[in-house]
Amino acid sequence: DGGITQSPKYLFRKEGQNVTLSCEQNLNHDAMYWYRQDPGQGLRLIYYSQIVNDFQKGDIAEGYSVSREKKESFPLTVTSAQKNPTAFYLCASRMDYNEQFFGPGTRLTVL
Amino acid sequence: RKEVEQDPGPFNVPEGATVAFNCTYSNSASQSFFWYRQDCRKEPKLLMSVYSSGNEDGRFTAQLNRASQYISLLIRDSKLSDSATYLCVVNSMNYGQNFVFGPGTRLSVLP
Repeated sequence: DGGITQSPKYLFRKEGQNVTLSCEQNLNHDAMYWYRQDPGQGLRLIYYSQIVNDFQKGDIAEGYSVSREKKESFPLTVTSAQKNPTAFYLCASRMDYNEQFFGPGTRLTVL
Repeated sequence: RKEVEQDPGPFNVPEGATVAFNCTYSNSASQSFFWYRQDCRKEPKLLMSVYSSGNEDGRFTAQLNRASQYISLLIRDSKLSDSATYLCVVNSMNYGQNFVFGPGTRLSVLP
């Protein structure tokens, strides 16, 4: 089955640690996205990539980093510079200007 | 002004009711419009695209008014399973035609 997978589903981080969230898609989509959602809030764009080896900052990129070495994969690293990382993180992909498909998300909690 | 705004909600309606959600967008050059549904603690999923002439999918009807920069979603004969948050999505001329998500309108259908 084609789709987007994210792992882990739940992640706990100690303050000062970097953590990496995985996102993989087998839909052959060119564009991939990372969003953050806080309770009761809308989605905010962190980073996006429209092609391999290229990515752009979204609205709230500070404290995050990404890579796009393969078309299928777009991992997100939450660095210690992100002061309030507890949130629901969603990865999405899209072909051309069609709708986006989302992965099931990762819930990150800072202890 | 936010790029995409929605009725603040929440909407609490009885089963069988008809309910309408409104969404306005600020960028007159926007070309793609969607409604997504998000269940509690889950990822957003596409409900329907919105076409210029309006479109219907079963109990759901979407309308677009480009002159007023306004999108609507009508749900007829509400079911308990329609309870969710409904997200209005518009493509943005910023960030290479990426999507901007509205904050969402929460619907609770009551027995």
